[in-house]
Amino acid sequence: DTEVTQTPKHLVMGMTNKKSLKCEQHMGHRAMYWYKQKAKKPPELMFVYSYEKLSINESVPSRFSPECPNSSLLNLHLHALQPEDSALYLCASSQGVVDTQYFGPGTRLTVL
Amino acid sequence: GNSVTQMEGPVTLSEEAFLTINCTYTATGYPSLFWYVQYPGEGLQLLLKATKADDKGSNKGFEATYRKETTSFHLEKGSVQVSDSAVYFCALRGYNQGGKLIFGQGTELSVKP
Repeated sequence: DTEVTQTPKHLVMGMTNKKSLKCEQHMGHRAMYWYKQKAKKPPELMFVYSYEKLSINESVPSRFSPECPNSSLLNLHLHALQPEDSALYLCASSQGVVDTQYFGPGTRLTVL
Repeated sequence: GNSVTQMEGPVTLSEEAFLTINCTYTATGYPSLFWYVQYPGEGLQLLLKATKADDKGSNKGFEATYRKETTSFHLEKGSVQVSDSAVYFCALRGYNQGGKLIFGQGTELSVKP
């Protein structure tokens, strides 16, 4: 089983709202990732967690705040977003950072 | 730095046609190479991978061979189906890059009946 689940599937929020995206995997993977994908573009890496510790932050604005409460769960907290942050947010996981990444279905975020 | 250059689309083929999507890369050391597919409205699915030179990845009739001498990882399928319509991404993971995947720009494939 190579399933990564993400909730919600769709999210609409205003620029003053606070919301969170959730990602879960039960494959025993120890690395988890957040990517951002704009329409007709490839995914862009935002964050990498390895063994529940943040190992890569690709200079992402502080209005995006990741959290890894345990090895199965990854959250992305959103606050004071801008309309240009509207995108598909993809979560991925892998056994370790040198292993193949498996992606979830994504959360489509719209910021009004 | 590492980079991936992918054949631009969109590519339109008739059902049962032969497919080639070109992918070349620039990387130091020995990267791992991947093809991911994204169907409309969905996330990315791993299609195939190769981790060392001359490896051939294959899945669902798709194949790609890791060619170090030409720094290429072209995707091929002998007979495409309408259900293969999707966006295909070539990607590499460099050595000692903390798991970071570098993607090509993606190639949109449309297969007509």
